Amino acid sequence: QKEVEQNSGPLSVPEGAIASLNCTYSDRGSQSFFWYRQYSGKSPELIMFIYSNGDKEDGRFTAQLNKASQYVSLLIRDSQPSDSATYLCAVIYYGGSQGNLIFGKGTKLSVKP
Amino acid sequence: KAGVTQTPRYLIKTRGQQVTLSCSPISGHRSVSWYQQTPGQGLQFLFEYFSETQRNKGNFPGRFSGRQFSNSRSEMNVSTLELGDSALYLCASSPDSGNQPQHFGDGTRLSIL
Repeated sequence: QKEVEQNSGPLSVPEGAIASLNCTYSDRGSQSFFWYRQYSGKSPELIMFIYSNGDKEDGRFTAQLNKASQYVSLLIRDSQPSDSATYLCAVIYYGGSQGNLIFGKGTKLSVKP
Repeated sequence: KAGVTQTPRYLIKTRGQQVTLSCSPISGHRSVSWYQQTPGQGLQFLFEYFSETQRNKGNFPGRFSGRQFSNSRSEMNVSTLELGDSALYLCASSPDSGNQPQHFGDGTRLSIL
């Protein structure tokens, strides 16, 4: 069973702080990693993807990947109340010739003004 | 560029009925994937279609089926509906069926009475 694990939270941070969201995955052969943001009652929105070990930055967001530890994280700098949402980690699992996305159950982030 | 379009947005059905959901991908995207999202199980992969062929399938019963047309639009059908089929059904598209990011539509909220 291929799994993606996330702390369900809620993770509460004050406005302006750094929010750190973590995710571990079980399939060592996974190559592609994604972070989605989902507001209550809405569909997931892609915010970051990363394929190589190391850091990838996009505005206030940084994705970090460590394949040896099977660990991927998302840092949100200068957190804003509008960042309050559930963050979903997703990993492509290659079960045959093609891959499909496996999602974690998400971490609920609350940014307090 | 228009996003992924799903219709209808809401559906109410009774047990034993069947339902068909529709998804139009982003223009130029040829891969369409379907997911079921419930509070208890999170986002679970149903199947993926690429060039009118089912390329990948999740662990759902045969009551769940789909197809893709030559214009990449996809439909998902659920027969003999059960109470447990109540969920948000999400469609996502990507340019190809490799490791590219998937973009989600707004979903169809299906309620079974």
